[in-house]
Amino acid sequence: NAGVTQTPKFQVLKTGQSMTLQCAQDMNHEYMSWYRQDPGMGLRLIHYSVGAGITDQGEVPNGYNVSRSTTEDFPLRLLSAAPSQTSVYFCATHDPLAYEQYFGPGTRLTVT
Amino acid sequence: GQSLEQPSEVTAVEGAIVQINCTYQTSGFYGLSWYQQHDGGAPTFLSYNALDGLEETGRFSSFLSRSDSYGYLLLQELQMKDSASYFCAAFYNTNAGKSTFGDGTTLTVKP
Repeated sequence: NAGVTQTPKFQVLKTGQSMTLQCAQDMNHEYMSWYRQDPGMGLRLIHYSVGAGITDQGEVPNGYNVSRSTTEDFPLRLLSAAPSQTSVYFCATHDPLAYEQYFGPGTRLTVT
Repeated sequence: GQSLEQPSEVTAVEGAIVQINCTYQTSGFYGLSWYQQHDGGAPTFLSYNALDGLEETGRFSSFLSRSDSYGYLLLQELQMKDSASYFCAAFYNTNAGKSTFGDGTTLTVKP
């Protein structure tokens, strides 16, 4: 089992470009989340989903869109990249009957 | 919003015991988790408390006191490899799919 995978591992964008960060899981978990982590800081929730077709906003949703068409995939789209979105992005999953979150390896994004 | 407070840095020596505290906002609180993160890595789950009391997992234990709105992570027999950042994260029962993280405590273990 791969667990939670994220692609790409690294990405450099220019201001105004758009892109999609991919997250996939093979754990059959209903719940998935996207976090961003700035240097020396904790994780801040961007968007989350409690099942296919259901998404909701977290603490810092502006500038990001998500969709959840399958249990396995939860892509995060940056609409028009800004330098303030330079960060490390983590995807996480967990089972609704448990509270242990499993994190992917992260995508390190730089916006110039 | 729902914020969590934890110390930014803690330093201890190998073999010692260290306690990392976390205070949280009470409204809608459901449970508290702890995660470890090494530099450049992803957070990994350590422990979860939904009820008051101590949960022990090897050298690591976690404690919750709902009446005091606080919990702590206790690390015993510290090893150099325990140098990492430690985060508390709270679930609020408005939606169990959503959790809030503290800013993390950087633990440095010295020889």
